[in-house]
Amino acid sequence: NAGVMQNPRHLVRRRGQEARLRCSPMKGHSHVYWYRQLPEEGLKFMVYLQKENIIDESGMPKERFSAEFPKEGPSILRIQQVVRGDSAAYFCASSRRDPNSGDEQFFGPGTRLTVL
Amino acid sequence: GNSVTQMEGPVTLSEEAFLTINCTYTATGYPSLFWYVQYPGEGLQLLLKATKADDKGSNKGFEATYRKETTSFHLEKGSVQVSDSAVYFCARSYNNNDMRFGAGTRLTVKP
Repeated sequence: NAGVMQNPRHLVRRRGQEARLRCSPMKGHSHVYWYRQLPEEGLKFMVYLQKENIIDESGMPKERFSAEFPKEGPSILRIQQVVRGDSAAYFCASSRRDPNSGDEQFFGPGTRLTVL
Repeated sequence: GNSVTQMEGPVTLSEEAFLTINCTYTATGYPSLFWYVQYPGEGLQLLLKATKADDKGSNKGFEATYRKETTSFHLEKGSVQVSDSAVYFCARSYNNNDMRFGAGTRLTVKP
């Protein structure tokens, strides 16, 4: 059973460009979470999605950031008009059941975004 | 502010030394507590967890006890190995989508 897959592993963008980060959850997992890790900091929750639904986006910046988890295909974290402060590692996690079940979140290897 | 505070790193130890990484949390009620480990170039892996007061989580020689009275969940290992070199994150969660992480502690074990 493959783990959580993220691609690309490294992404370089110039200021003003768009960044698209992809996450394929583990097989059988329908709950996806995105986190951001700034240098020398811990992970900060961004958004929690189920298939075709955003459940909790309380950690998402109000502008330029969006996330989706379509019925088919990976979850996408999209950052429009990137700025240097967006440079970070973005981690995706998935779980089999809903948050109240206490199921473990399994993390992907992350996408390291560098904005020039 | 962050609801999980853990010992600042980096921590450098010799092989077979005793390890303690402190973690305290602020919370109302009774969250679940976790330690995650991040090896170079990889995502986080769950190391151990405890879901109620006085529970002890353990895995791979690491242990942590949920101390409600001191709101702590310190990570310990009696004898570290070079392969334990990684970044360790303490986290607390009321439910799975309200996971709050500490800033991480980088551990380097020298042979």
